[in-house]
Amino acid sequence: GDSVTQMEGPVTLSEEAFLTINCTYTATGYPSLFWYVQYPGEGLQLLLKATKADDKGSNKGFEATYRKETTSFHLEKGSVQVSDSAVYFCALIDGGATNKLIFGTGTLLAVQP
Amino acid sequence: EAGVAQSPRYKIIEKRQSVAFWCNPISGHATLYWYQQILGQGPKLLIQFQNNGVVDDSQLPKDRFSAERLKGVDSTLKIQPAKLEDSAVYLCASSTYSGRAYNEQFFGPGTRLTVL
Repeated sequence: GDSVTQMEGPVTLSEEAFLTINCTYTATGYPSLFWYVQYPGEGLQLLLKATKADDKGSNKGFEATYRKETTSFHLEKGSVQVSDSAVYFCALIDGGATNKLIFGTGTLLAVQP
Repeated sequence: EAGVAQSPRYKIIEKRQSVAFWCNPISGHATLYWYQQILGQGPKLLIQFQNNGVVDDSQLPKDRFSAERLKGVDSTLKIQPAKLEDSAVYLCASSTYSGRAYNEQFFGPGTRLTVL
């Protein structure tokens, strides 16, 4: 079945460091790909998305490019801030009759001042 | 615009007891989802409603879990009887449906269930 694999955390960075969180997927069709973020004490929020190969999703300084050839959707940010500390989830929707999100296990990011 | 509302936010019960969670989706959202998020894992879809009909309940443990959305708005998820492994955060989400495609899912804050 469809699945998402993302790098385990926690990832600990100093403020202004470069961030990469790896995500790879397995899907039978042509999925849409997402990054969700969960800040402490809050619900899941959509961070960015890409719906087809070579699309780049971006938001709040974060970027991810849909790479069909490597089945990847790595999350990057050039300069992280303390306020970026959260859990990040990579996810996919494989189309079809439902809108079921399939999530990775999440990566905890801790940014230190 | 009000977001997805869930209650209670926290619940602690003994195993074999019953528990119910309530969700009120964003106004006008025809599609409602219940996800289970076990500690250290990503959320897993339990059931998806389109208005008051079930679209997908393939991962709902039907021997103990039930869900309803009688008027196509609010929804209730029930566990009876609860087991230790049901300890998790239960997330409700909602989205619009354009007739050709579902749109972005918006999540509520979740209900954290602890089964002792």
